[in-house]
Parts: sequence; C-alpha cells; structure tokens
Amino acid sequence: DVKVTQSSRYLVKRTGEKVFLECVQDMDHENMFWYRQDPGLGLRLIYFSYDVKMKEKGDIPEGYSVSREKKERFSLILESASTNQTSMYLCASSRDRTLYTFGSGTRLTVV
Amino acid sequence: AQTVTQSQPEMSVQEAETVTLSCTYDTSENNYYLFWYKQPPSRQMILVIRQEAYKQQNATENRFSVNFQKAAKSFSLKISDSQLGDTAMYFCAFMNRFNGMRFGAGTRLTVKP
Repeated sequence: DVKVTQSSRYLVKRTGEKVFLECVQDMDHENMFWYRQDPGLGLRLIYFSYDVKMKEKGDIPEGYSVSREKKERFSLILESASTNQTSMYLCASSRDRTLYTFGSGTRLTVV
Repeated sequence: AQTVTQSQPEMSVQEAETVTLSCTYDTSENNYYLFWYKQPPSRQMILVIRQEAYKQQNATENRFSVNFQKAAKSFSLKISDSQLGDTAMYFCAFMNRFNGMRFGAGTRLTVKP
C-alpha cells in the first residue's frame, strides 16, 4: 500500500524557533506538495516540487522554505516560527500530478 | 489563479437520504481536472471522485456522482443513500497539470441517524 509519512502528528514549538516538518513517500513519486489547512480556508498550497532539488512557490510561501535533497523526502521549514503559523500541515505526493496521496497531517502549535 | 468556492460551510442529512454539495470554480483554461475529497476525523484525505474536463459524461463512483457543468463552471457532488460513515469534511478541488491542486474551503457534512 502506498504511503506518505509525516514525522509528527502533533508538534508544539516556541515563537522564533526554526521548525522542520518532514514528509517521506515510498512510492518513487517525482511530485511532492505541502499544504496548510485552516478552518474556513480549506487547504492552501505552500510549496511544491516536481523533481529533486527543484521547488516552486505555491499561493502562500511567505515565512516558509523547503528542501528536497532526495526524491523520497520533502521538508518544510519555518525559518522563525510565529503564532500565525499554527495550523495543520499536510504533505502529498503524486506520480502523474493528477492523483495525490496525502499524509495524515501534522498539527503544529506555535506558542 | 484558479479559485474554488464552496458556499455551504455545513450541511446535514438524514441517513438513507440524498444530499448535494455545491462547488464552483473559476478558470480560463480548457483542460483541467476536478476532484472531491473526503476528510474524516482521522484527517486522512480520501479521494471520492475525479472528473476530467474534456469528458462530458459525469463521473460516478457507487453512491457518489457529480453534476459537471463546464460552461457554468459548476461541479456538485451528490451522495445517495447517505450512511453514517459519510460524516466528514468534503473538499472540492481544481487542478491543471502544472501548478498543483487548489481546494475550496470545505463543507462539513453530518449524517444523522
């Protein structure tokens, strides 16, 4: 069964900390995506990647960066966490860019 | 940029009844994909149904069907014979092949016994 694994289900960090959210897929997919999910706003695309060492900005990249050093791993980095980045973060991957497999999410709280 | 609008934040339906969730989108493109995803309390995003814009026939998956109106840019989801397990958040999504999937704000559906 295909899998997208997000390293933490719940995470609590302090304002100003550098935060790493990790996403690993075991399906040899080229394409990976990071979303944040907020009530009343749905899922919003932060960054995506169509190949190793490649990245593209989504709709809300401010305050975030990403790293894709290996095909199976796509990391989301909060350079200096702020309270408005408290949210649920969802990672997804796809082979042909039309069928996504999602991870089960990381609920991040910044205090 | 494409936008997806779900105008019903919450809906409820009696078990075994039929319910329709609305979705509209805005795009200038001709080739794209539309999706409905279900997100139960487990948070796992589950694909319910997918529609390719070039196909005129509405997609169907068991109790789930869509009404795709390309000219009106409308993509509604009909759930027949609603079951308690259908209780979840439902997200409508739009995608072309190049820029990632965009989602609506979601509709929280409650199926009542």
